[in-house]
Amino acid sequence: DADVTQTPRNRITKTGKRIMLECSQTKGHDRMYWYRQDPGLGLRLIYYSFDVKDINKGEISDGYSVSRQAQAKFSLSLESAIPNQTALYFCATSDLHGGGANVLTFGAGSRLTVL
Amino acid sequence: GQNIDQPTEMTATEGAIVQINCTYQTSGFNGLFWYQQHAGEAPTFLSYNVLDGLEEKGRFSSFLSRSKGYSYLLLKELQMKDSASYLCAVRDSNYQLIWGAGTKLIIKP
Repeated sequence: DADVTQTPRNRITKTGKRIMLECSQTKGHDRMYWYRQDPGLGLRLIYYSFDVKDINKGEISDGYSVSRQAQAKFSLSLESAIPNQTALYFCATSDLHGGGANVLTFGAGSRLTVL
Repeated sequence: GQNIDQPTEMTATEGAIVQINCTYQTSGFNGLFWYQQHAGEAPTFLSYNVLDGLEEKGRFSSFLSRSKGYSYLLLKELQMKDSASYLCAVRDSNYQLIWGAGTKLIIKP
């Protein structure tokens, strides 16, 4: 099984619908992140969480919300999806005690299309 | 503003050597990362540089010059499986990662 699992892997929805992307991890990492990737752009951070009681906005949090249900679970919600939220979404984890590098481990991605 | 620049696309021949450059302008510096991303897949960690100089890891090496705001990833003995995008990312003074758009590397036989 993958260390970081994202569901669904692909989703097509309509404008105005509520969508939830889920992420679970078995690495035992404290830190979890949600990124989106668009063609021609670098990865952009949406939200991040350093532990269950910690939620932080990233560069592009507008239109998104998150929930850290447990150390291993971090979900991303789009309350009312719009077409410019069409993108590839990645969940990632990192280890607080991983030394200076704090390397990210990514899930396989969730491709979301908003019509 | 903060900026990471890397070439959009490069082409190289199987068995050859290729150098992918990354220049950055960020608010502070706390390390530079290279990740590999095959099409449709997750990025995976390749290397981390925080001090100037060359870090070698098998066929891959990464170089950093903090004074020049410059890094490169050197891939030797290229294999077809090296066809992928290579992402450069810099951690700024707030320990936030700033990502480049990636360099798509095409390997030809």
